[in-house]
Amino acid sequence: EVQLLESGGGLVQPGGSLRLSCEVSGFTFSNYAMSWVRQAPGKGLEWVSGIIGSGGNTFYADSLKGRFTISRDNSQNTLFLQMDSLRVEDTALYYCVQGTPTYGPFDHWGRGTLVTVSS
Amino acid sequence: EVVLTQSPGTLSLSPGERATLSCRASQSVSSTYLAWYQQKPGQAPRLLISDASSRATGISDRFSGSGSGTDFTLTISRVEPEDFAVYYCQQYGRSPSPFGGGTKVEIK
Repeated sequence: EVQLLESGGGLVQPGGSLRLSCEVSGFTFSNYAMSWVRQAPGKGLEWVSGIIGSGGNTFYADSLKGRFTISRDNSQNTLFLQMDSLRVEDTALYYCVQGTPTYGPFDHWGRGTLVTVSS
Repeated sequence: EVVLTQSPGTLSLSPGERATLSCRASQSVSSTYLAWYQQKPGQAPRLLISDASSRATGISDRFSGSGSGTDFTLTISRVEPEDFAVYYCQQYGRSPSPFGGGTKVEIK
């Protein structure tokens, strides 16, 4: 059974940083692209970032303007999202998502970790 | 960057009725890379359809997807009580992988 467990969310002040983690099990992690998708309270889904299985290629939403960095540790079956220069509008539930060996669609989703940016 | 526009924003239906949800892209999208997801309150989204028309594992045949180019459709042949939810389309051909704004299917 595929399991995705996010952690690292919390309350942070504007301008601060957070590092999200996603521990996975139930599949060969290094074979699959992974992504982060967020959802602001009461709003729709927003794709944030993606990374292929080897970690060699990464992709980002234009709106992030270089503030976020996705990475993975295939030896630890863990996906990361480093978030810097956080803004109030980054407040959202952040989902870890399993793609496919070639990238998408997004087949399995975690339960999400909540990031709140507020002073 | 492709922008996906979903309509209507809200669809009010009675159980047993047919639901037709639209997803229009700002530029042509390969049908190989168009997906539909269902999200119920308090839950993570669930993949329904990939490649514009292929049902995901375990998805009822009440759900069907169609379309090509810039116009895609999700159809629920007869809406069941468990189908009332928000539905999102997504283009997933590498980067970026935008979602549409969603269509809420609510009980009339």
